[in-house]
Amino acid sequence: QVQLVQSGAEVKKPGASVKVSCKASGYTFTSYYMHWVRQAPGQGLEWMGIINPSGGSTSYAQKFQGRVTMTRDTSTSTVYMELSSLRSEDTAVYYCARAGQWLVIYNYWGQGTLVTVSS
Amino acid sequence: DIQMTQSPSSLSASVGDRVTITCQASQDISNYLNWYQQKPGKAPKLLIYDASNLETGVPSRFSGSGSGTDFTFTISSLQPEDIATYYCQQYDNLPTFGGGTKVEIK
Repeated sequence: QVQLVQSGAEVKKPGASVKVSCKASGYTFTSYYMHWVRQAPGQGLEWMGIINPSGGSTSYAQKFQGRVTMTRDTSTSTVYMELSSLRSEDTAVYYCARAGQWLVIYNYWGQGTLVTVSS
Repeated sequence: DIQMTQSPSSLSASVGDRVTITCQASQDISNYLNWYQQKPGKAPKLLIYDASNLETGVPSRFSGSGSGTDFTFTISSLQPEDIATYYCQQYDNLPTFGGGTKVEIK
């Protein structure tokens, strides 16, 4: 069965970076794109970007351009999302979600990773 | 970006009631519209894709309709386990989500 297992909760200081991992199993890793979506406490869902695990190409939401980097390791079927220059507004649960490049239907999600930014 | 306006932001209904949520897109998105259910502390769960298609394993009391800019999500008979927040999501362009509708039991 398809599983997306994310790394554990993180606490970071303002200005620091965080790197969240998402390990995929149960399907061919390179056959589906991986998206990252975040949710601030009590708020809605916000799309951050997408990575093609096959070639590594990425596309980021304009809001995060310059601060986010998505990478993958095909040897471990893991994708990573690194967010830099953290501020308190980045406190959120970060999800990876499997979908197509254009057929963006999220039928599999990771369990979420809480990132807390606090001094 | 395409804006998705979801309403109401919250509602309270009795068990067995019919519940309707609407989502309006800021431009024509054809039928590229999905609906998700999210329970506290959990990841969203896909219920409806492409506006009206029921995801496998999802109870038939959930349904969706619409195309273009106006979409509707319906729970035909509200059950206690349906207490959750529901989100619409478009993918005609870069994905965006509606603001969510919190459904409570009266």
